[in-house]
Amino acid sequence: EVQLVQSGAEVKKPGESLKISCKGSGYRFPSYWIGWVRQMPGKGLEWMGIIYPGDSDTRYSPSFQGQVTISADKSISTAYLQWSSLKASDTAMYYCARLEGNSGYDNFDYWGQGTLVTVSS
Amino acid sequence: EIVLTQSPGTLSLSPGERATLSCRASQNVRSSYLAWYQQKPGQAPRLLIYGASSRATGIPDRFSGSGSGTDFTLTISRLEPEDFAVYYCHQYGNLVHTFGPGTKVDIK
Repeated sequence: EVQLVQSGAEVKKPGESLKISCKGSGYRFPSYWIGWVRQMPGKGLEWMGIIYPGDSDTRYSPSFQGQVTISADKSISTAYLQWSSLKASDTAMYYCARLEGNSGYDNFDYWGQGTLVTVSS
Repeated sequence: EIVLTQSPGTLSLSPGERATLSCRASQNVRSSYLAWYQQKPGQAPRLLIYGASSRATGIPDRFSGSGSGTDFTLTISRLEPEDFAVYYCHQYGNLVHTFGPGTKVDIK
């Protein structure tokens, strides 16, 4: 059974750094792109970027390029989303999700449960 | 970056009625690489349709997708109580994907 299990909720202060995780199981992790999706409170889904764990090829939305870093460690089947300096506007639910194929031109088929990040002074 | 526009923003219907949701792209979506997802409060999105018109595993046949190029449609033939939710389209025709802003289907 394919599963994506995300790390737990975080409460941080502005300016702090953060790295959240997404661990895949039940499939060959290096061979499928993993994406990150932001959902601000009461708002829609925003595509942030994707990574291919096999070679760490990464693509970002222009809206998130330079604001976050997406990485992966294929040896432990885990993808990451990190911030070097959080802002209050980073408060949101963050989902990881798997792309169905290995080309990058695929829909998301499996989703993590989400990680709620709250940034407040 | 391809911008997706969904209409209407909110659709108020009764159970048993037909729902027609639109997703329009700012440029051609290559190979009809367009998916639809359903999201209920407190839940992760769920894949309904991929490739513009193919139903995902386990999705009831009252859900159907159509369209190509820049205009796509999700149709729910007869709304069931569990179908009241928010629906998002997603284009994956290039390596920078985008989502539409969503259509909320609520009970009239």
